[in-house]
Amino acid sequence: AQSVTQLGSHVSVSEGALVLLRCNYSSSVPPYLFWYVQYPNQGLQLLLKYTTGATLVKGINGFEAEFKKSETSFHLTKPSAHMSDAAEYFCAVSGRGGADGLTFGKGTHLIIQP
Amino acid sequence: KAGVTQTPRYLIKTRGQQVTLSCSPISGHRSVSWYQQTPGQGLQFLFEYFSETQRNKGNFPGRFSGRQFSNSRSEMNVSTLELGDSALYLCASSSQPNTEAFFGQGTRLTVV
Repeated sequence: AQSVTQLGSHVSVSEGALVLLRCNYSSSVPPYLFWYVQYPNQGLQLLLKYTTGATLVKGINGFEAEFKKSETSFHLTKPSAHMSDAAEYFCAVSGRGGADGLTFGKGTHLIIQP
Repeated sequence: KAGVTQTPRYLIKTRGQQVTLSCSPISGHRSVSWYQQTPGQGLQFLFEYFSETQRNKGNFPGRFSGRQFSNSRSEMNVSTLELGDSALYLCASSSQPNTEAFFGQGTRLTVV
């Protein structure tokens, strides 16, 4: 069984400020972890993924995330927010070799203040 | 390389009817998954197909079914539609199960 908790359904930051979106997971098997972004009336776009190896993962559009096993966390960060980052962000987990598909968090709506 | 294609993009159906949605995965991808997205429940896993076999299924009633063809294209069917089935249905393709999934634009189903 696996689950994902995203803290904060809405996060508001000023343009140029640090973006931090929080994600905690639980998984009975070693996880694969993902962050996706969704713009209005669109599908989901993969931002980055953690499978094995380096725990700091860099993705597209300047985003990165760090897998911390001891904290069961996979928080998403970006040093400087841009207006185009305004969207819904989803953290997801799948279990290696598991059979449950992707389990998503409820999502965090990122608002960028000018 | 073409992405995941879902058709149609929008559908309006009446309660009690049935509907079939289609998904063409990225060329070479053999795994197709389906998800339902609603404001209340968020993104929920429906089922996954790999090489024409249903690999696993989420917690949805039997009215929801799917299949995958030899060319990896997939369809999902919902019978006896209910108002609560109104949602964005997303298809995702992967080269292998449990690897990164690439999503289509989705099909917006409205049941009236």
